[in-house]
Amino acid sequence: DGGITQSPKYLFRKEGQNVTLSCEQNLNHDAMYWYRQDPGQGLRLIYYSQIVNDFQKGDIAEGYSVSREKKESFPLTVTSAQKNPTAFYLCASSMGWEQFFGPGTRLTVL
Amino acid sequence: AQSVTQLGSHVSVSEGALVLLRCNYSSSVPPYLFWYVQYPNQGLQLLLKYTTGATLVKGINGFEAEFKKSETSFHLTKPSAHMSDAAEYFCAVSGPYHTGNTGKLIFGQGTTLQVKP
Repeated sequence: DGGITQSPKYLFRKEGQNVTLSCEQNLNHDAMYWYRQDPGQGLRLIYYSQIVNDFQKGDIAEGYSVSREKKESFPLTVTSAQKNPTAFYLCASSMGWEQFFGPGTRLTVL
Repeated sequence: AQSVTQLGSHVSVSEGALVLLRCNYSSSVPPYLFWYVQYPNQGLQLLLKYTTGATLVKGINGFEAEFKKSETSFHLTKPSAHMSDAAEYFCAVSGPYHTGNTGKLIFGQGTTLQVKP
């Protein structure tokens, strides 16, 4: 089945540590996205990539980094510079305007 | 610039009652419009979309939405609510058009639908 996978589903991090969230898609989509979701704030775009080896900052990129070395993979690193990283992170991909979402990763900083 | 406003962060209806979730958008170009549903601790699932053509769009689970250009609205409705409809709903509009930017959506803040027995 085609789809988007995110791992892990739950992630715990100590303050000061970097952590990488995985996102893989087998839909052959060119574009991929990372969103952060906090209660009452909807979805906020962190980074997006329209093509391999290229990506752009979204609305809240500070403290995050990404890479796009393969079409099917778009990992997100939450760095120690991110002041409040506890949130639900969603990855999506698209071909055209319709976005398809993964199941999400819930990150908690201890 | 494109934007989306969802009126009401929480909507509560009784089982069997009409569901109406409101979405207004702002767009400088003809928009593509979407409704997504999110169940707790899950990703978003597409309910329906409007791109071109018929302005009344039918989606999954009995939902439908009507694109009204004159009112810049895309409200989501369902004639009879079911307990399983309890979830968070997001309206989205296509982002600014320019080379290399297709696919970027602007999301509303979301509306939580509660269905009472």
